[in-house]
Amino acid sequence: AQTVTQSQPEMSVQEAETVTLSCTYDTSESDYYLFWYKQPPSRQMILVIRQEAYKQQNATENRFSVNFQKAAKSFSLKISDSQLGDAAMYFCAYRSAPRGQNFVFGPGTRLSVLP
Amino acid sequence: DADVTQTPRNRITKTGKRIMLECSQTKGHDRMYWYRQDPGLGLQLIYYSFDVKDINKGEISDGYSVSRQAQAKFSLSLESAIPNQTALYFCATSGSGAKTDTQYFGPGTRLTVL
Repeated sequence: AQTVTQSQPEMSVQEAETVTLSCTYDTSESDYYLFWYKQPPSRQMILVIRQEAYKQQNATENRFSVNFQKAAKSFSLKISDSQLGDAAMYFCAYRSAPRGQNFVFGPGTRLSVLP
Repeated sequence: DADVTQTPRNRITKTGKRIMLECSQTKGHDRMYWYRQDPGLGLQLIYYSFDVKDINKGEISDGYSVSRQAQAKFSLSLESAIPNQTALYFCATSGSGAKTDTQYFGPGTRLTVL
């Protein structure tokens, strides 16, 4: 079974600085999707970014980008120019590509943004 | 209006009580899911449904049941609530076409069992 690990329970970053959140996963499959979800204090789970494993190019969404290392099974999230509103729990998630497969979530990293 | 809604948003109940959490979606998605979130454990899948007639157990289904009343509605029931079911519960949906890979979440229901 697939597993997702986030080794940093908590992280902090100064406002306007850059921070990288780590995620590793274990799978024997070659085709899958990876996600980062953000959960602010409002509890809403918000999709931040997604990556298709067959694409070598790293996904980017405005200030958010990933470093996808397929061979190393690593999928880190970089937040540039951190803002106070970025403070949240961040969850890394994995999903197999074949239809019918479900998501596997990591335990989360709590990010604090310091003014 | 939100695409995925959950009611209630917060609920306090007593041990042994039956409780139902409801989820509705306007995204037109076929697939719906119920997750439980506990601190330090991420989200764990309770039940999922790929259409009205297709309901499947997730990794932690014991003590829970579900009903898919329509494509847009998916309810989670705790027949006899116990304190270790105190958690945050999320409903999610996903499509069945080319966009099956992304899930969209409701706002969550915080359940406390005393």
